[in-house]
Amino acid sequence: SAVISQKPSRDICQRGTSLTIQCQVDSQVTMMFWYRQQPGQSLTLIATANQGSEATYESGFVIDKFPISRPNLTFSTLTVSNMSPEDSSIYLCSVGDFAEDTQYFGPGTRLTVL
Amino acid sequence: AQSVTQLGSHVSVSEGALVLLRCNYSSSVPPYLFWYVQYPNQGLQLLLKYTTGATLVKGINGFEAEFKKSETSFHLTKPSAHMSDAAEYFCAVYNQGGKLIFGQGTELSVKP
Repeated sequence: SAVISQKPSRDICQRGTSLTIQCQVDSQVTMMFWYRQQPGQSLTLIATANQGSEATYESGFVIDKFPISRPNLTFSTLTVSNMSPEDSSIYLCSVGDFAEDTQYFGPGTRLTVL
Repeated sequence: AQSVTQLGSHVSVSEGALVLLRCNYSSSVPPYLFWYVQYPNQGLQLLLKYTTGATLVKGINGFEAEFKKSETSFHLTKPSAHMSDAAEYFCAVYNQGGKLIFGQGTELSVKP
């Protein structure tokens, strides 16, 4: 399975600011995804990060709020823009392994917005 | 459309007792089913999965799950709970677009 790292692991931010979260994978992967896990909740898919093209966003999520980059097959970033306390969540990166029909998850970034 | 329902947001067992976490799914196609575990302050770790073949699937840490098509279920079990099993457990299914759909999660507490 792929080894996935995320930076930062946690952060406390002021409302109105933006935070960029990085996801690094130790091997080339086709599919990369970003999820949000609000306090006490399950995981919700934000978007699929596509290499070389714009990300594909799920209903309720927009590019202006959650811009995503994917410059190559091992790296992606998610930016949480103009943050409010409602954005306080765990943000998780995951990768799809077609050979194993499985998704693997990074350790998550714990964001608190004051 | 695919969906997952986990019965019981919180389950408490005594150490050494049977663990049973319930998951029912809805799918219009043969489902790919997963159980993930999330330990406190950590990301998600894959416990086990069912894609095709044997309906009883064994995973890590002594957990197993049985795919029952007639009951549309994929319950997670472990014969004897350990204190270290205390965590949040998520059942998930792939939808036809290749995206994971998660249940609401079940928090497992283990009492000494």
